[in-house]
Amino acid sequence: SAVISQKPSRDICQRGTSLTIQCQVDSQVTMMFWYRQQPGQSLTLIATANQGSEATYESGFVIDKFPISRPNLTFSTLTVSNMSPEDSSIYLCSVQQELGVNYGYTFGSGTRLTVV
Amino acid sequence: QKEVEQNSGPLSVPEGAIASLNCTYSDRVSQSFFWYRQYSGKSPELIMSIYSNGDKEDGRFTAQLNKASQYVSLLIRDSQPSDSATYLCAVMGSTNAGKSTFGDGTTLTVKP
Repeated sequence: SAVISQKPSRDICQRGTSLTIQCQVDSQVTMMFWYRQQPGQSLTLIATANQGSEATYESGFVIDKFPISRPNLTFSTLTVSNMSPEDSSIYLCSVQQELGVNYGYTFGSGTRLTVV
Repeated sequence: QKEVEQNSGPLSVPEGAIASLNCTYSDRVSQSFFWYRQYSGKSPELIMSIYSNGDKEDGRFTAQLNKASQYVSLLIRDSQPSDSATYLCAVMGSTNAGKSTFGDGTTLTVKP
C-alpha cells in the first residue's frame, strides 16, 4: 500500500501569515484529497487535487484561502493563507487505494495547526 | 439532516463482548461505504469497505449494509482494549469522483 509523508507534523503560526503543508506519496496516484478535522469533529473535505488541472474545491472553501499545487502524480501542497484562529485544525491529505480486501483512503499523518 | 449520522456515543463494552456501531445516510444513490478507526492523536485508518447489501467479514470485524434502509453497521467481535478508538463511518456516491462524506464518529471504549 502507498505510504504518505506529510509535513510539517505541527506548527504554531501568527495570524495573518501563511503555512504550506506538503504531502509526498511513494507511488503515483491520480487524485489526492485534502481534509480538515477541527477539534472534536469529523473530517471535512477541502478540495480534490488532480495532476495537470486546477483543484476542485468544496462548498465553503476557496482557492484564495487554500491554494493547492499538484505538480506531479506523487506530490501535492496545501497552503492555508492569511490565517486566523478559526483555521486552527488538523489538516490531512489522503489517497484512495486497495488495502487488502478493502478499498478506501490512506491518510497522511496530519498537520496540527494552531493559529495565535 | 446530516448526510451521514452515527450513534452519538460514547459506547462502552466489556472486553470480549460484541461492539455494535451504527450509521445511517441520506443520499439514496450512495454506492460505497467505509468504516475507519481513529486513535486519539492519530490519522484515520481504513477498517472495512462494503458495496453490496449483506455482510462482509474481515477477521473480528463484520460490516453490514442495507441500502433499502440506508443503514450500515460495524460489528466488532471479541472486543479488545486495543479497539478503543473513534470509529468513523464514510459514504461515497456514484458520481462523487472519489470523495467521501464522513459521520461525526462514535467513540468506543473497551473495558478490561
